[in-house]
Amino acid sequence: GAGVSQSPSNKVTEKGKDVELRCDPISGHTALYWYRQRLGQGLEFLIYFQGNSAPDKSGLPSDRFSAERTGESVSTLTIQRTQQEDSAVYLCASSQGISGSQHFGDGTRLSIL
Amino acid sequence: GESVGLHLPTLSVQEGDNSIINCAYSNSASDYFIWYKQESGKGPQFIIDIRSNMDKRQGQRVTVLLNKTVKHLSLQIAATQPGDSAVYFCAETTPHNNDYKLSFGAGTTVTVRA
Repeated sequence: GAGVSQSPSNKVTEKGKDVELRCDPISGHTALYWYRQRLGQGLEFLIYFQGNSAPDKSGLPSDRFSAERTGESVSTLTIQRTQQEDSAVYLCASSQGISGSQHFGDGTRLSIL
Repeated sequence: GESVGLHLPTLSVQEGDNSIINCAYSNSASDYFIWYKQESGKGPQFIIDIRSNMDKRQGQRVTVLLNKTVKHLSLQIAATQPGDSAVYFCAETTPHNNDYKLSFGAGTTVTVRA
């Protein structure tokens, strides 16, 4: 596609529910990143995927967070048993190769009630 | 600890004036720096980047300066326009260590006065 696409754009759910966030990277981009942005703050790295290499999961805040990527295509970020502190905008970025400039989607705004 | 941060959280500038946004970083191993612009409800948009073997890089109306001695980065915007109103983030990474994840500062909110 023309840019990184994320869905849903907004998600409101109750505490304790599981959520899945989706990212469609730019076609041909081999690297894909997930970041979290709390209100009024900068982005925090969560996880990245590069080709068939093992993902770098060093930014995942707890074992409630996980992510998968199908080949060099779609990725899903899953948050289990959501907590109120999970409320944030979750941003996905992709790049052409691991050293390329990262292009961001517009994010999913997640609100936990 | 290692961090990337900005000196001022907000900047108000008159339309047509030049803007300067500053950023300090503490990781001396960082060798690649990027400035992003983020408008409300949107994802960060790439503005300009610079590698550690350079001290200045120019784009269209923007200039990035890097001072490795004091670990300082700045973004200069010439002839600021209303469309430049946004939050600006600096980010850094260390590709030479095979570390490509971006570390972001908290951001500076730029407001352009007509």
